[in-house]
Amino acid sequence: SAVISQKPSRDICQRGTSLTIQCQVDSQVTMMFWYRQQPGQSLTLIATANQGSEATYESGFVIDKFPISRPNLTFSTLTVSNMSPEDSSIYLCSVKGTENYGYTFGSGTRLTVV
Amino acid sequence: EDQVTQSPEALRLQEGESSSLNCSYTVSGLRGLFWYRQDPGKGPEFLFTLYSAGEEKEKERLKATLTKKESFLHITAPKPEDSATYLCAVQPGRTNFGNEKLTFGTGTRLTIIP
Repeated sequence: SAVISQKPSRDICQRGTSLTIQCQVDSQVTMMFWYRQQPGQSLTLIATANQGSEATYESGFVIDKFPISRPNLTFSTLTVSNMSPEDSSIYLCSVKGTENYGYTFGSGTRLTVV
Repeated sequence: EDQVTQSPEALRLQEGESSSLNCSYTVSGLRGLFWYRQDPGKGPEFLFTLYSAGEEKEKERLKATLTKKESFLHITAPKPEDSATYLCAVQPGRTNFGNEKLTFGTGTRLTIIP
């Protein structure tokens, strides 16, 4: 299965600032996915990032708040913009594996906004 | 709208005491049901994918089963290292191009007491 490196692993940010999260995969993948896991909540898909096209956002998530870049088949970034304490969550990237490996997740970025 | 409900929210077992975790779901067609294990501070780790009612899969002390309305994760003679949060997710049969959304439950937090 693919190996995903996600950075930073955690950060504490001031409200009103932005944080960019990086996701590097050890193999080429067509689609990468960004999820949010709020405290005590389930994982929620933010957007799907395809190389060479605009990301597809889920209901409740907008590009101005969560801009995504996908410059090549092994890398993606998610920016959390103009942060507020409500953005404090774990952010995870994911890629589709083979049939026997399901979807693989990175180790996550734990974001705290103060 | 796809929904996943996991029960119980938390479960404490003595080492060696077998039990089952439940995942009830409603989805418009089912392309796949996924089980993941998540340790604190880490991303979800893939365990199983089930595709059709009656299917079963096993891995060490874990066995996952699937019916048309729910899935069970059976844990036989658990050990302390099985302590983790177990997540269930469904993928609908209907998909738009580029959208492979997983809908997750909130998980069962399992603690195995030595």
